[in-house]
Amino acid sequence: EPEVTQTPSHQVTQMGQEVILRCVPISNHLYFYWYRQILGQKVEFLVSFYNNEISEKSEIFDDQFSVERPDGSNFTLKIRSTKLEDSAMYFCASRPADRGIYEQYFGPGTRLTVT
Amino acid sequence: AQSVSQHNHHVILSEAASLELGCNYSYGGTVNLFWYVQYPGQHLQLLLKYFSGDPLVKGIKGFEAEFIKSKFSFNLRKPSVQWSDTAEYFCAVSSWGKLQFGAGTQVVVTP
Repeated sequence: EPEVTQTPSHQVTQMGQEVILRCVPISNHLYFYWYRQILGQKVEFLVSFYNNEISEKSEIFDDQFSVERPDGSNFTLKIRSTKLEDSAMYFCASRPADRGIYEQYFGPGTRLTVT
Repeated sequence: AQSVSQHNHHVILSEAASLELGCNYSYGGTVNLFWYVQYPGQHLQLLLKYFSGDPLVKGIKGFEAEFIKSKFSFNLRKPSVQWSDTAEYFCAVSSWGKLQFGAGTQVVVTP
């Protein structure tokens, strides 16, 4: 069964550094999402992406964040200058193009630790 | 704005006991409802979903959930839990697109 994959599984970075989290969505999916889960808190929506542009973003998704689909298979989340409070588990999700199917398929997550 | 609340943050029960996890949401329009499960060290997996039709939906691993529109609720149930059901359970709501999650319920099943 096809799965969403994410790399790396764990990323440690220093405050102020840029990080890029990578995701490979399921191949025939066209809607892509990033969520994050700070330890002990709920899973929060960051951004959705469709047709090569952001379709919706949350208040969390400020100018430090960006997303890209550079090559038709990868979907990346970039944090330009990481802060301590960016430490969290970041989940990528994708769903099929059929608007009747709202189920999102999640990747295993990348644990980002900012020191 | 949408919100999702899960009634219990932590539940401990013995094998063979019945489980019911509460979920209430607030949203005025049509919603799609989900329960996701996260086993230790694994990613979020869909347990079941409700879009329309029969308000009693059955999911994987013997779980079911009932959508009660008048109560804005979508409670998850399992008649007899197993040790392998130890996990965190998340209720989620979507009107279109993004998912809004509840805080999650950590379920621990003791042998």
